Amino acid sequence: ETVMTQSPVIVSVSPGERATLSCRASQSVRNRLAWYQQKPGQAPRLLMYGASTRATGIPARFSGSGSGTEFTLTITSLQSEDFAIYYCQHYNNWPYTFGQGTKLEIK
Amino acid sequence: QVQLQESGPGVVKPSETLSLTCNVSGDSITALSWSWIRQPPGKGLEWIGYIYYRGTTTYNPSLKSRVTISADASTNQFSLKLNSVTAEDTAIYYCARGKVIFGVVSELDYWGQGTQVTVSS
Repeated sequence: ETVMTQSPVIVSVSPGERATLSCRASQSVRNRLAWYQQKPGQAPRLLMYGASTRATGIPARFSGSGSGTEFTLTITSLQSEDFAIYYCQHYNNWPYTFGQGTKLEIK
Repeated sequence: QVQLQESGPGVVKPSETLSLTCNVSGDSITALSWSWIRQPPGKGLEWIGYIYYRGTTTYNPSLKSRVTISADASTNQFSLKLNSVTAEDTAIYYCARGKVIFGVVSELDYWGQGTQVTVSS
């Protein structure tokens, strides 16, 4: 099973600034990686797939990069609605697994 | 617009079977893939399994011996059965649609709102 490790667990950033979230896979997942955003009491929402492709309706301030084992989700010009928990998930080999999440909180 | 809605009992007794149904609208369950994911209280996400292409199923090895996912094209619903439940199966259960690229299930692009299931006597 491929283990996904996200860092940091919690990150505090001020509105208008940039946030950088990391995800590491225990073995290569090529570019088969997705990012999700989850707000309290809501289901996860797909942000990115293929490591760097934004899902439908996702603003351009969200960007993804990486391949193999190291991935990054960057959010520029943070808006109030961006403060949430973010999960990475690979789909390279079964079972597909999620990271433990990074909580992005307001500084 | 694709919408998914989970339904089922909110409480299940230990050793019994958890049964949930996901009603899909805006898409046919005969296309793409359909998954169940769960999230224990305060924890992360676990992909339970999925069904696609004429009923092919794939289950997480950690749950494989206890899980059955099935689909009913006539009602456009798919279902989850998890037997011999314990307190560790207490979680929010989500159903979701998974994209399929070159025959490989990939990311989950539409999710239900989730349903809380508590295992308790």
